[in-house]
Amino acid sequence: AAGVIQSPRHLIKEKRETATLKCYPIPRHDTVYWYQQGPGQDPQFLISFYEKMQSDKGSIPDRFSAQQFSDYHSELNMSSLELGDSALYFCASSQRTSGGQSYNEQFFGPGTRLTVL
Amino acid sequence: GEDVEQSLFLSVREGDSSVINCTYTDSSSTYLYWYKQEPGAGLQLLTYIFSNMDMKQDQRLTVLLNKKDKHLSLRIADTQTGDSAIYFCAESIGTGTASKLTFGTGTRLQVTL
Repeated sequence: AAGVIQSPRHLIKEKRETATLKCYPIPRHDTVYWYQQGPGQDPQFLISFYEKMQSDKGSIPDRFSAQQFSDYHSELNMSSLELGDSALYFCASSQRTSGGQSYNEQFFGPGTRLTVL
Repeated sequence: GEDVEQSLFLSVREGDSSVINCTYTDSSSTYLYWYKQEPGAGLQLLTYIFSNMDMKQDQRLTVLLNKKDKHLSLRIADTQTGDSAIYFCAESIGTGTASKLTFGTGTRLQVTL
């Protein structure tokens, strides 16, 4: 079965550079989430999109921006990178269920490991 | 995260049962989840429980939820070396789409022979 695809899997950048992380959700999934997991930390929610509109926002720095495109893939843009941005960035996707309470199973991608030198 | 806490480490012998505990603070949690993360890998959903349930069993996994005490546990029966990983509990709030997950601090499970 198709899974969430993230690219690149590894990325090395210098301080103050920019980075773009890409996420391709599972086909027919309409919701994308971004999480950041620092070394030895739990994943922290950054931002989510539903049907190309921002749905929720967490602890995402102003230096970061994200969007979801018409084909539902999403990109996380990170500027003025800092050493503390080094982390594993996960994308997850889910599909809205119609009617009643929706069980929101989020399927996670393998992550992009960003290292800022 | 700060609202969801877990013990950091658990060591069990192969074949024994493992019990991983989690406490959360938000009583409006709708669903509670258990994820497994192997070294350098992504997050794998193991099981979940709806907040109006108190127990769910799925093969070797048993989830217990005490909503009054805001306590969630995951029991793994007949623990195997392949179960060695970090286990995160997580909560989501609300029934709408795009409900973010708030993860616990993670418990590293070590299975010894």
